[in-house]
Amino acid sequence: NLMLTQPHSVSGSPGKTITISCTRSSGRIASNFVQWYQQRPGSSPTIVIYEDDKRPSGVPDRFSGSIDSSSNSASLTISGLKTEDEADYYCQSYDNTHLAHLVFGGGTKLTVL
Amino acid sequence: EVQLVQSGGGVVRPGGSLRLSCAASGFTFDDYGMSWVRQGPGKGLEWVSGINWNGGSIGYADSVKGRFIISRDNTKNSLYLQVNSLRAEDTAFYFCARHSGGSFPTPLDFWGQGTLVTVSS
Repeated sequence: NLMLTQPHSVSGSPGKTITISCTRSSGRIASNFVQWYQQRPGSSPTIVIYEDDKRPSGVPDRFSGSIDSSSNSASLTISGLKTEDEADYYCQSYDNTHLAHLVFGGGTKLTVL
Repeated sequence: EVQLVQSGGGVVRPGGSLRLSCAASGFTFDDYGMSWVRQGPGKGLEWVSGINWNGGSIGYADSVKGRFIISRDNTKNSLYLQVNSLRAEDTAFYFCARHSGGSFPTPLDFWGQGTLVTVSS
């Protein structure tokens, strides 16, 4: 079964830049789009990146997404960190054998120190 | 404004059943696919089930296949999840979420507030 592996936690200081990785266990990372969701404590998830690198309206351009075929991974980069960015972040893609089946990464807790 | 308002959670004994509901407003419901995603206590997100715009395409996670049934009523702008044969490991917040398109695979662009299902004797 497809797995998406994320670091358990990352941290950064206000104003700095962090990157969260999401490594696909099987199949090419470019074969299915990757999304990223933010979940603040006690809240429902919200989408911050879709289709690898697109930002929904209302999401600051401090958030960016990319994929790297050489490492078979996707990345979420947040620049100019703010305390309000402190949250859990989840990557999500699809199982090639069942495109209706969504797969989430285990989540990364971002701490803004 | 897009709204997904959930109801139907609660405490149920192992082996019991519940019906979760998700009432949609602020958009044309039958233009969009929908999914259920759950989150166990202190755990990450797990996709549970999805349904396309007209109910003609449905998928289930292996962990719930044969026990859960997803459905929708486009005349009532509502999504449902019938959860049967519940186990302790099904204890979680259950979120309904809208896909950005009518079918799969498309991102989840709006989420409900979540409803808690607790399986306990």
